[in-house]
Amino acid sequence: GAGVSQSPSNKVTEKGKDVELRCDPISGHTALYWYRQSLGQGLEFLIYFQGNSAPDKSGLPSDRFSAERTGGSVSTLTIQRTQQEDSAVYLCASSRQFTGELFFGEGSRLTVL
Amino acid sequence: EDQVTQSPEALRLQEGESSSLNCSYTVSGLRGLFWYRQDPGKGPEFLFTLYSAGEEKEKERLKATLTKKESFLHITAPKPEDSATYLCAVRPRQGAQKLVFGQGTRLTINP
Repeated sequence: GAGVSQSPSNKVTEKGKDVELRCDPISGHTALYWYRQSLGQGLEFLIYFQGNSAPDKSGLPSDRFSAERTGGSVSTLTIQRTQQEDSAVYLCASSRQFTGELFFGEGSRLTVL
Repeated sequence: EDQVTQSPEALRLQEGESSSLNCSYTVSGLRGLFWYRQDPGKGPEFLFTLYSAGEEKEKERLKATLTKKESFLHITAPKPEDSATYLCAVRPRQGAQKLVFGQGTRLTINP
């Protein structure tokens, strides 16, 4: 069975450009999470989707960040007008329901020049 | 504010040299403490869940324990393949569907 798939694995962009990061969760997992990991830091929660419920957006750092999940499966994290401080690894995880046992993808490394 | 602090930041051991990693937490009602392992360039991989003080979980050379204020990850007779960053996370309160992570301990086991 396939794990959580994220794309692109690496993205280099110029300051001010928009970027989209994609996450394909494990089939059957209703919960989907986005976290951000800056160099040498722990994971910072961004957003959580559970089934058809309203997402928990409490971790999004600014209104330049948004995410959607289509058909209860694939999710896209969009960062508008990127800044250098947005450079980090963006990790997606999924789980059947919230158990704390999250299955993470390998991440998308974003570098903003 | 819910907070997780891990120590040390980095630890170097010789193969076979046992030690412990610490995770201290302050949360508004603990609903679970979780340990993950992260290899370079990979996403974290789940190891253990602990729910109540006094609980212990074991997997191969790893044993996790929990008290009311901290958790320990004990590594017995480690091997080079145990080298990784170990992350601790807590679920702060009932209804919170997210984990709060510490910054991790980078463990290196020298052969």
